[in-house]
Amino acid sequence: ETGVTQTPRHLVMGMTNKKSLKCEQHLGHNAMYWYKQSAKKPLELMFVYNFKEQTENNSVPSRFSPECPNSSHLFLHLHTLQPEDSALYLCASSHPQDLGGTEAFFGQGTRLTVV
Amino acid sequence: QKEVEQDPGPLSVPEGAIVSLNCTYSNSAFQYFMWYRQYSRKGPELLMYTYSSGNKEDGRFTAQVDKSSKYISLFIRDSQPSDSATYLCATSEGLTGGGNKLTFGTGTQLKVEL
Repeated sequence: ETGVTQTPRHLVMGMTNKKSLKCEQHLGHNAMYWYKQSAKKPLELMFVYNFKEQTENNSVPSRFSPECPNSSHLFLHLHTLQPEDSALYLCASSHPQDLGGTEAFFGQGTRLTVV
Repeated sequence: QKEVEQDPGPLSVPEGAIVSLNCTYSNSAFQYFMWYRQYSRKGPELLMYTYSSGNKEDGRFTAQVDKSSKYISLFIRDSQPSDSATYLCATSEGLTGGGNKLTFGTGTQLKVEL
């Protein structure tokens, strides 16, 4: 266990459904992230939150809506997704570090299938 | 051009072999370089972390960075079946608002056979 817990582990949803992914960390970190991992593609940063404030949106479509109520919890709300959004969604956390040199701890991921 | 290029493999080696995994990157401003290991159905976990050029050794693992050629390497000595996983190279940069952005390669799938 890395200290970052994601639920659910697997999710199948229709294109008209609304669902949410949850992430929780108990590491005392203040930066939290959503990454997307698609088959045969690199992990791709989606959103960054630092001290509950969104600091990065990597041109993510609005059908993905993040929420960070506190430094320990991060959500990704999903609605009207497309089949190409099927992927492994990974949450990560780290200490905020301007110089770039800090370890990110990842959760196990949520395997999302859009049908 | 991708920011971080990595041969996806798969790479299959016999137990005990020396494994060499490599990446190239395009942005000369990158200073922090990482190797993550990802087992099937798990999230990535940090294996090695290097700042700027040079070598770093941890047990059977050695990470090398050559900034002049923008080349990142991971060597695994005496490879074991438990090393079978996908190895992801990454660069890390700080973000203006705080936090860091990791830019990953596609990952190299390694299988160590008995």
